Amino acid sequence: DIQMTQSPSSLSASVGDRVTITCRASQGISNSLAWYQQKPGKAPKLLLYAASRLESGVPSRFSGSGSGTDYTLTISSLQPEDFATYYCQQYYSTPPKLTFGGGTKVEIK
Amino acid sequence: EVQLVESGGGLVQPGRSLRLSCAASGFTFDDYAMHWVRQAPGKGLEWVSGISWNSGSIGYADSVKGRFTISRDNAKNSLYLQMNSLRAEDTALYYCAKNRGGGSYHDAFDIWGQGTMVTVSS
Repeated sequence: DIQMTQSPSSLSASVGDRVTITCRASQGISNSLAWYQQKPGKAPKLLLYAASRLESGVPSRFSGSGSGTDYTLTISSLQPEDFATYYCQQYYSTPPKLTFGGGTKVEIK
Repeated sequence: EVQLVESGGGLVQPGRSLRLSCAASGFTFDDYAMHWVRQAPGKGLEWVSGISWNSGSIGYADSVKGRFTISRDNAKNSLYLQMNSLRAEDTALYYCAKNRGGGSYHDAFDIWGQGTMVTVSS
């Protein structure tokens, strides 16, 4: 099974900061990676898919990059509404066993 | 409006069964693979199971394999999760989620329901 390791598990940042979250897969996943944002009491929201493609309606301050086993989510200028928990997910596995990273909680400094 | 609405959660004793349902609307249900994802209280997301558009491909997490069964009824625009031999560690909010790109598994989840809570306790 493919394991997804996210880091850091939490971070404190200020409005306007540039924030980077990383996700490492236990084997290559050919850019079959999504990023989600989850706020307390709400369902997750898709931000990016195919590692770097922005979902419709998602602000352009969110971006994704990476290849092979290592991927990154970047928020270029953190906004108040961005304080949330972020998850990566691989959807490469065959037979299908899709896995999420452990999450990164972004808190206000 | 594209919508997923889960139902069927509740309090159940260990070893008993429960069936979750997810009603889909606002999109052509039988064009898309569907999934169940759960989240234990205060914990992260865990993919539980997925099913392709025509039920031809089905997968389960190791933690539920042999106990849970996913199914769908395209005529009723509905997804189901039959959960047997429930354990305390199955306690979680169960989300229904839609594949972004079509009938195959291998894509992100673009639409999520609000979840239905399952509590396994004596």
